[in-house]
Amino acid sequence: DVKVTQSSRYLVKRTGEKVFLECVQDMDHENMFWYRQDPGLGLRLIYFSYDVKMKEKGDIPEGYSVSREKKERFSLILESASTNQTSMYLCASSRDVLRNQPQHFGDGTRLSIL
Amino acid sequence: SQQGEEDPQALSIQEGENATMNCSYKTSINNLQWYRQNSGRGLVHLILIRSNEREKHSGRLRVTLDTSKKSSSLLITASRAADTASYFCATNSGGYQKVTFGTGTKLQVIP
Repeated sequence: DVKVTQSSRYLVKRTGEKVFLECVQDMDHENMFWYRQDPGLGLRLIYFSYDVKMKEKGDIPEGYSVSREKKERFSLILESASTNQTSMYLCASSRDVLRNQPQHFGDGTRLSIL
Repeated sequence: SQQGEEDPQALSIQEGENATMNCSYKTSINNLQWYRQNSGRGLVHLILIRSNEREKHSGRLRVTLDTSKKSSSLLITASRAADTASYFCATNSGGYQKVTFGTGTKLQVIP
């Protein structure tokens, strides 16, 4: 079974801090994704990566950056955390979506910015 | 932007009944996927249907796709309390590796 592991289930940070969310997958997937999930808004894509050192902006990239130095690891960075970034963050990985491969999700990180 | 819109937003049924959730989308798709999310957890992939398929089954799940109406439905037969979760549709529009998720249907199955 594919395992996607997010480093923290719960995280509390202060406004202005630099925050790192880490995600690791063990199935050699090419693609990795970061979403945020808010009530009534569903999942919104922040960034995704289709290869090492490659990244693409999603629908809501403002205030975030990402890093993919190794194939198995995809990091989401909040450069200067703000209260409106309080949310559930979900990481996912997949093989080629165009070849009808599904996404596999981690259990999420519930981030609170005070 | 949200490609998929699920309907209804919430559904409450008795154990043993069937549950039907609908998803509408706006642009042409390569495939459509359904996911389940238990409270406080990540999403779990249930079933994927390709744009050239009309119906697909997996255990108690039945998914239909009508590309002319840009809609899909997920039917869960003989529901169980353990089916209580939120269900999301997600579409891949081809040309890109990303999928776009809807806002979900919250299903409650009462024992």
